[in-house]
Amino acid sequence: DTGVSQDPRHKITKRGQNVTFRCDPISEHNRLYWYRQTLGQGPEFLTYFQNEAQLEKSRLLSDRFSAERPKGSFSTLEIQRTEQGDSAMYLCASRRDRFGANVLTFGAGSRLTVL
Amino acid sequence: EDKVVQSPLSLVVHEGDTVTLNCSYEVTNFRSLLWYKQEKKAPTFLFMLTSSGIEKKSGRLSSILDKKELFSILNITATQTGDSAIYLCAVRDMRFGAGTRLTVKP
Repeated sequence: DTGVSQDPRHKITKRGQNVTFRCDPISEHNRLYWYRQTLGQGPEFLTYFQNEAQLEKSRLLSDRFSAERPKGSFSTLEIQRTEQGDSAMYLCASRRDRFGANVLTFGAGSRLTVL
Repeated sequence: EDKVVQSPLSLVVHEGDTVTLNCSYEVTNFRSLLWYKQEKKAPTFLFMLTSSGIEKKSGRLSSILDKKELFSILNITATQTGDSAIYLCAVRDMRFGAGTRLTVKP
């Protein structure tokens, strides 16, 4: 296990369709984060998990977005009824929950294009 | 609300120049400030700063934190074309700045 994996890397969908992204974190990392990044912006926090518990959600995460981490390992981010404004790069990151271990390891991202 | 502001947003220099990137922040429960470099895809870690006035150095890159004035700077000396990237500053795991896009021309 050499890093954070995200799948798919690219997704093109039509407005109104549902999409799901998967993130496999580094195995010993119990914290997992989802971010959205658009052109010219830094990563915007969406939500994070500690093990299987979803501990915080951004107000950016509308009711069309849902994230799960059912067994505390991989996570999924689903967007229902996609809109063109959802087009972005969705980044996943993980780290250990340990004092001083604040460094996030990012996946390569899943780029979503909504037509 | 937590805030991280980076400046400049964009910078174009020539190889060999020295650059200074700025990051100011307002955040509750500050613990650390991190710098990442983002080339094409995933941001990669550069520095983590927790204490004021202690410079962190890695090759041509260095960074320092001022917790009284609530800012950090990232210096890159003798820039190379491979330094072209977006440099991100983050406080806590949830708050990133917009980044500085650095372009180094040959």
